[in-house]
Amino acid sequence: DTEVTQTPKHLVMGMTNKKSLKCEQHMGHRAMYWYKQKAKKPPELMFVYSYEKLSINESVPSRFSPECPNSSLLNLHLHALQPEDSALYLCASSQDPRGSYEQYFGPGTRLTVT
Amino acid sequence: DAKTTQPPSMDCAEGRAANLPCNHSTISGNEYVYWYRQIHSQGPQYIIHGLKNNETNEMASLIITEDRKSSTLILPHATLRDTAVYYCIVRVYTLTQGGSEKLVFGKGTKLTVNP
Repeated sequence: DTEVTQTPKHLVMGMTNKKSLKCEQHMGHRAMYWYKQKAKKPPELMFVYSYEKLSINESVPSRFSPECPNSSLLNLHLHALQPEDSALYLCASSQDPRGSYEQYFGPGTRLTVT
Repeated sequence: DAKTTQPPSMDCAEGRAANLPCNHSTISGNEYVYWYRQIHSQGPQYIIHGLKNNETNEMASLIITEDRKSSTLILPHATLRDTAVYYCIVRVYTLTQGGSEKLVFGKGTKLTVNP
């Protein structure tokens, strides 16, 4: 099984809402990633978890809060977002953050902030 | 972070080889070159990666110049399903939290395979 699943597929939320994005993999990977992709732009890294610990935060605003409850699950908690945060949010995983392994990407969650 | 430069778009006839160039002149000695592609609104898909030597797998070949300042992705027999945005990426490795990698995506090349 080489699949990374993301839920929900689509999410519409108001600026005062709190919501969460979920990402799951069962490949035994120990690195997990969140990316943000605006329309017609390349993905931009947001966070990296290495062995369930946050190892990279690319200066992401605090209204985005990542969480890695266990090695298979990655959440992104959203609060007080702005319309410009509307984007495709991609999750990825790789076998080991210390090796040259490929990242497997999920299909993404398309977020619209109204 | 090392950056990559790719042509914004390319066309290729179905059945012919597609050769996608990438410049990464500021790459460091221990940084890998990765290629991913993204079909419209789907998650990126891994294609191939390399450090110094040329690499080949069932999807493509990767040719890296001796000075490592540029590389070429070759799709040997392009099909209509290969139409996608192709990203050439330099993998950056950091020592935070025991070591982790990050992929710095460039703008990519939109490859259109024509019948």
